[in-house]
Amino acid sequence: SQKIEQNSEALNIQEGKTATLTCNYTNYSPAYLQWYRQDPGRGPVFLLLIRENEKEKRKERLKVTFDTTLKQSLFHITASQPADSATYLCALDEARGNYGQNFVFGPGTRLSVLP
Amino acid sequence: DAGVIQSPRHEVTEMGQEVTLRCKPISGHNSLFWYRQTMMRGLELLIYFNNNVPIDDSGMPEDRFSAKMPNASFSTLKIQPSEPRDSAVYFCASSLVGVRYEQYFGPGTRLTVT
Repeated sequence: SQKIEQNSEALNIQEGKTATLTCNYTNYSPAYLQWYRQDPGRGPVFLLLIRENEKEKRKERLKVTFDTTLKQSLFHITASQPADSATYLCALDEARGNYGQNFVFGPGTRLSVLP
Repeated sequence: DAGVIQSPRHEVTEMGQEVTLRCKPISGHNSLFWYRQTMMRGLELLIYFNNNVPIDDSGMPEDRFSAKMPNASFSTLKIQPSEPRDSAVYFCASSLVGVRYEQYFGPGTRLTVT
């Protein structure tokens, strides 16, 4: 069956350290993978998009990698700050042939950056 | 830009009643998405539209759910009749085109069916 897993439900790290979040998927062949941030009581906010032919993407303190062989994406936040505390969601597209495309979110990882 | 606008922000209704959720996408965006988020099932795509046309509604849970997009600036998600298990946060999102572009989410509608 198709599944998206994110490394852990919750992750605690010390301020200033690098946070690494994992997104693993099975039985999907996405062309694109996206990462979103969600704060309590709010809608998800887009962070980064990476295509299947891209190995790595960076934006300020954020870095995403995409390994289609391992079926895994890693999301890194360097020099983490308490303001980075939130739930992070990975999402991927799923082609459905004649039935269009689906967009599937992982369950999310709740990151807490401790001062 | 005001972003994606949803109304109402909160809705409490009794089982069996009709519920209508509304969404105004970002101007210029051609795709609109309806999602449902619960603790148990996470964030699920219900249906999405390209240029006001429904493209994939395979995520719509039952015939009790219906969605329309009469024009580029307005969409509704209707539940009739509502049931307690429909209680969730419903998000609307829009993007330039399709699922392969970044999506901008609205603030959501928290629905409680008693």
